[in-house]
Amino acid sequence: QKEVEQNSGPLSVPEGAIASLNCTYSDRGSQSFFWYRQYSGKSPELIMFIYSNGDKEDGRFTAQLNKASQYVSLLIRDSQPSDSATYLCAVKNGNEKLTFGTGTRLTIIP
Amino acid sequence: EAGVAQSPRYKIIEKRQSVAFWCNPISGHATLYWYQQILGQGPKLLIQFQNNGVVDDSQLPKDRFSAERLKGVDSTLKIQPAKLEDSAVYLCASSSGLGAKYFGPGTRLLVL
Repeated sequence: QKEVEQNSGPLSVPEGAIASLNCTYSDRGSQSFFWYRQYSGKSPELIMFIYSNGDKEDGRFTAQLNKASQYVSLLIRDSQPSDSATYLCAVKNGNEKLTFGTGTRLTIIP
Repeated sequence: EAGVAQSPRYKIIEKRQSVAFWCNPISGHATLYWYQQILGQGPKLLIQFQNNGVVDDSQLPKDRFSAERLKGVDSTLKIQPAKLEDSAVYLCASSSGLGAKYFGPGTRLLVL
């Protein structure tokens, strides 16, 4: 079992709709969870992180964490063409080690 | 605040040659990471430093890869000798320990 799993996509969402990205992790001791956006040919860019169960909202982005189910998700409301990118889920353990999933490629269709 | 700096940005070498990459983290960040990202995959941690000590190098191919972080600031990653499968983007990231990590622009390595 991979430490961090994501559906590789591609995920296509119409402009203005909600994009939902999902991630599961295997280590129950994981402490914090991150979502990065990576445009083609660019480095990953941190967009959100979450530590506690529940929802965390930042503008059009909402991160959701369910530690019992070992599941974290990212919702993007009012999707824009500029949101088209690969979204990487990452999980941190107690030693600051950050493990990435393979990423989900998101395409927003105008 | 200046970001994570890396050089060179691009490197093309032949297999069996050696190559070195340099990283300067964000000022004050104690933790420094080197990741390898192969096209179409997520970043894979190669080595993690806390100040100038190694915290995790379990996925570093130690027969050919080496890294050091002298004085707890800059770091270099070396590959000797390079193989075709080392073609990837090498990303350096730094962290203040609060969990967030900031990446440099990466070094794109092509091994022919």
